[in-house]
Amino acid sequence: QVQLQQSGPGLVRPSQTLSLTCAISGDSVSRNTVAWVWIRQSPSRGLEWLGRTYYTAKWYNDYDVSVKSRITIFSDTSKNQFSLHLSSVTPDDTAVYYCARASPALNSWSQGTLVTVSS
Amino acid sequence: DIVMTQSPDSLAVSLGERATINCRSSQSLLYSFNNENHVAWYQQRPGQPPKLLIYWASTRESGVPGRFSGSGSGTDFTLTISNLQAEDVAVYYCQQYYGTPYTFGRGTKLEIK
Repeated sequence: QVQLQQSGPGLVRPSQTLSLTCAISGDSVSRNTVAWVWIRQSPSRGLEWLGRTYYTAKWYNDYDVSVKSRITIFSDTSKNQFSLHLSSVTPDDTAVYYCARASPALNSWSQGTLVTVSS
Repeated sequence: DIVMTQSPDSLAVSLGERATINCRSSQSLLYSFNNENHVAWYQQRPGQPPKLLIYWASTRESGVPGRFSGSGSGTDFTLTISNLQAEDVAVYYCQQYYGTPYTFGRGTKLEIK
């Protein structure tokens, strides 16, 4: 059974970088045919797919165009985890952030972290 | 981006009755290379992450009760919950995984009448 454990701060100052990490147990971050995804949820935006990383002979990333200039998703195979960096945050980035496993539907989710952007 | 439009926004159904939730996509989600519709349905209870119910439009995830079923093809999809139980109160979302970004519908809130 795959489990995803998120970590990271719940409060980020405006213009700073939001950083979250998702530790994987029960699977490998470099498994072929699986992607590792970040999603956020807010009352105004609903569920929003932010991007993914996956390994097929080499590492690939896809990002939602709305955050593409600010987002980085990357993996750490030695720790079997993947991370989200979202730079230059504003209060509009306040949301519950989830990491998830996609094969290709999202069949495992973390519990989520409420990240508030406020000074 | 592919737009997923769910209806209705909310729904109240009596225990033991059937609930039907619809989802329409802005383009076909039927992928010719595998002849599958790239659509999933999720259930989200308060304070919980979404839970996968259905993928490939009609394949039930392991452990999901048989009263949940998915149907449809192309651009029109339906989630049906038969014999509604109290624990089915939740918000239900459709999602397409045909093309990135893999967009979601806005959700349908299901309540007991």
